[in-house]
Amino acid sequence: AQSVAQPEDQVNVAEGNPLTVKCTYSVSGNPYLFWYVQYPNRGLQFLLKYITGDNLVKGSYGFEAEFNKSQTSFHLKKPSALVSDSALYFCAVRDISRDDKIIFGKGTRLHILP
Amino acid sequence: KAGVTQTPRYLIKTRGQQVTLSCSPISGHRSVSWYQQTPGQGLQFLFEYFSETQRNKGNFPGRFSGRQFSNSRSEMNVSTLELGDSALYLCASSSAPGALNEKLFFGSGTQLSVL
Repeated sequence: AQSVAQPEDQVNVAEGNPLTVKCTYSVSGNPYLFWYVQYPNRGLQFLLKYITGDNLVKGSYGFEAEFNKSQTSFHLKKPSALVSDSALYFCAVRDISRDDKIIFGKGTRLHILP
Repeated sequence: KAGVTQTPRYLIKTRGQQVTLSCSPISGHRSVSWYQQTPGQGLQFLFEYFSETQRNKGNFPGRFSGRQFSNSRSEMNVSTLELGDSALYLCASSSAPGALNEKLFFGSGTQLSVL
């Protein structure tokens, strides 16, 4: 069965510093990997997606994610954090080989400190 | 283009009652999925529908059911409500499951409180 784990409930980063939000996954086949963000009092929004090809995926708001097949990870990164990046971030996976559902991690709350 | 619309926005029910939640996807989207969001468990998958057919189902009891209509609108029903069913229920739509350009668009959710 497929699964996704976000090992950190909360991440604190000073404004201007690089940030990383971690995600690991487990699938039997080939994964589609996603990051979504939930800003306070706003709905979940798509950030980026990995299908195949280049391991570094660029998304909205300056975010990027690195796919690492050997470590089964898909960490979200940004070179310089903004206070406005403070939000709840969800990693998600769909096992495309098994035509399975999209499942989400438990989320990581990112706090950017001014 | 209108986004995903979920109604009602808030619901308060008592234990043992049943509830029906509605979701209207983005025009042209034929795939609808439902999730339960709670602070401790994050987003848990409930159902996925495509062209009126349930493609996948999560690990929830049979009290949770859903359906999709020919216009792609979807409803979710929870019978015999329990306190633990209190949560934010989110609906998401996409053009087609597993498509290369697949991207979920979420509604604002229905906040269900069971007393």
